[in-house]
Amino acid sequence: GIQVEQSPPDLILQEGANSTLRCNFSDSVNNLQWFHQNPWGQLINLFYIPSGTKQNGRLSATTVATERYSLLYISSSQTTDSGVYFCAVMPGTYKYIFGTGTRLKVLA
Amino acid sequence: DSGVTQTPKHLITATGQRVTLRCSPRSGDLSVYWYQQSLDQGLQFLIQYYNGEERAKGNILERFSAQQFPDLHSELNLSSLELGDSALYFCASSPSRDRVSGEKLFFGSGTQLSVL
Repeated sequence: GIQVEQSPPDLILQEGANSTLRCNFSDSVNNLQWFHQNPWGQLINLFYIPSGTKQNGRLSATTVATERYSLLYISSSQTTDSGVYFCAVMPGTYKYIFGTGTRLKVLA
Repeated sequence: DSGVTQTPKHLITATGQRVTLRCSPRSGDLSVYWYQQSLDQGLQFLIQYYNGEERAKGNILERFSAQQFPDLHSELNLSSLELGDSALYFCASSPSRDRVSGEKLFFGSGTQLSVL
C-alpha cells in the first residue's frame, strides 16, 4: 500500500519563528488534506490541497502531485500552533491514509 | 465546531464487554469514516460508509462492525473488548457530492475508549 512519511517527526520552535513541514507519499493521490491535532485531541482541517498552493493567514500549503510531496508552511509561529500536524492522502477513492505526523512545540 | 457529533466522549469498560459508539455527520454529508488512533499505531482507517452502504474497509478487526442508518448517522460496535482496543475513535464525514469539493473530511471530537 501507499506509504506516507512526514518530516521532521518532532520540532521545537521559539515563538515568532517560521517552519516548513513536509509530507512525502509513495504513489499518486487524488486528494490531500492537512490537519492540526491540538493538545485536546481535536483534528482541525487546515487545507484541502490535492495540488497547487493555498494560503490562510499565517499558514500556507503547496502540493506538487507529480513529485509526490506536500509542504505546510507556518510563519510567525504562536504557542497555539503547538500540537501534531498530519497530512492525509487518498490514493484511489474512498479512504484517506494518514502520515506519521509532525509534533510541534512552540515555546513562549 | 466541525458539525460532526460523536457520543459518548469517554467510555470506560472491562475486557470482554461490548460497546457502541455513535456518530452524526454534518448536515448534508453522505459519507462517514471511522478511524482509530492509538499511541503506537497512529491514525488507522477502519471503515467508510456512503449513503448507507459500506464503500471501503481498512484494518478493521472481525470483532468490530459498523453500519450507517437511513438518517445517515453511523454506529461502530466493538465486541469482546481487549486491553489493546483502548484508543481514541474518530468519526469523520464528507459531502461526497461532487468533484469540486472532493472528499474533504471533517472530524468529530472523538470517543476515548478505555478497556480495563
